[in-house]
Amino acid sequence: DQQVKQNSPSLSVQEGRISILNCDYTNSMFDYFLWYKKYPAEGPTFLISISSIKDKNEDGRFTVFLNKSAKHLSLHIVPSQPGDSAVYFCAGGGGGADGLTFGKGTHLIIQP
Amino acid sequence: GAGVSQSPRYKVAKRGQDVALRCDPISGHVSLFWYQQALGQGPEFLTYFQNEAQLDKSGLPSDRFFAERPEGSVSTLKIQRTQQEDSAVYLCASSLGAHGELFFGEGSRLTVL
Repeated sequence: DQQVKQNSPSLSVQEGRISILNCDYTNSMFDYFLWYKKYPAEGPTFLISISSIKDKNEDGRFTVFLNKSAKHLSLHIVPSQPGDSAVYFCAGGGGGADGLTFGKGTHLIIQP
Repeated sequence: GAGVSQSPRYKVAKRGQDVALRCDPISGHVSLFWYQQALGQGPEFLTYFQNEAQLDKSGLPSDRFFAERPEGSVSTLKIQRTQQEDSAVYLCASSLGAHGELFFGEGSRLTVL
């Protein structure tokens, strides 16, 4: 049973436009959510997080939105830059589990 | 260095061989996690240590997998009698507590032939 789902394996966006990455979850006990970014042959690096009691968190070009009733969150990147090309993982934390529960990732490709 | 360090970065093993993967967490981080990432998948939880205590090993796929952290710092993940389905990237992460942001190493890519 996949508790965190990222249904788009890949997404292509033109440089300068907005990138929107989506994530759905089934475990309503998650206390917080994080987005990680991963380049090839490197470990995932933390990008941004949101507590389950918030509905929005913004950090520079990155904004995460949480819709608890729909069990859905999204990551907005605006404007998208070539260096944003990477795999993005959504993860849920808390909920009685140790560590984080990850989705399968979305490969974001920024086209020049 | 200041980050999580893993070795070896790449390991090729023949089926049936034993392998050991090492993780050196960020100094002072109490919590240490091992994850397995198969090709095209997200990281899957294997096991969790708080200092030297292994508090959760529910994600270890079989009794061929064993992890230890004897002095509460460096950890070793050992896989006995490797099989082809063990081929994956093994990620180690550390954090100050059991929850919140995890800091990942670069991973050890295991290929079993």
